[in-house]
Amino acid sequence: DIQMTQSPSSLSASVGDRVTITCRASRGFSNYLAWYQQKPGKAPQLLISAASSLQPGVPSRFSGSGSGTDFTLTISSLQPEDLATYYCQKYDEAPWAFGQGTKVEIK
Amino acid sequence: QVQLVESGGGVVQPGRSLRLSCTASGFTFSNYQMHWVRQAPGKGLEWVAVISFDGRNIFYADSVKGRFTISRDNSKSTLYVEMSSLRGDDTAVYYCARATYGVPLDPWGQGTLVTVSS
Repeated sequence: DIQMTQSPSSLSASVGDRVTITCRASRGFSNYLAWYQQKPGKAPQLLISAASSLQPGVPSRFSGSGSGTDFTLTISSLQPEDLATYYCQKYDEAPWAFGQGTKVEIK
Repeated sequence: QVQLVESGGGVVQPGRSLRLSCTASGFTFSNYQMHWVRQAPGKGLEWVAVISFDGRNIFYADSVKGRFTISRDNSKSTLYVEMSSLRGDDTAVYYCARATYGVPLDPWGQGTLVTVSS
């Protein structure tokens, strides 16, 4: 089974900073890679599908890129409401593995 | 609007069984595959199981295989998971979520907490 590894596990950045989160797969697969945002005490919400397709209503400061084994979530200008944990997930076939999450804190 | 509501969580003793339900509304339930995902307290997300739109194709995470059974009743727009031989490490918030071919988990329910404790 493919394992998904995110880095870093946590980060602290200032409002306005550019933030990059990496997700690496143990072997290559199709671009069925999703990013989710989970705010404290809430259910996860889908941000990006197919590695780079922004969901309707998601602010344009979020973007996704990558292919094969290496994928990236970028927040171009961090906002206070982006305080959350972010997860990547492969969804090409079962098991639909998640990365371990990246907790984003605001300095 | 599209909505998923989980129910059935609670406190259960180790070794016992529990059934969770997820009631869907706002979309044609029988057109979508459905998933269970769990999150232990203070931990990350763990994918648990998936069932195809017609119930014919089912897959489980290794951690629950042989103990959990996912099912669905399309006439009731409801997803289930029957959890048996429960252990302490099954303690988690259990979420249901909708998906389809090429589209990941969206939306998610609000979750239901299962606590396995004597």
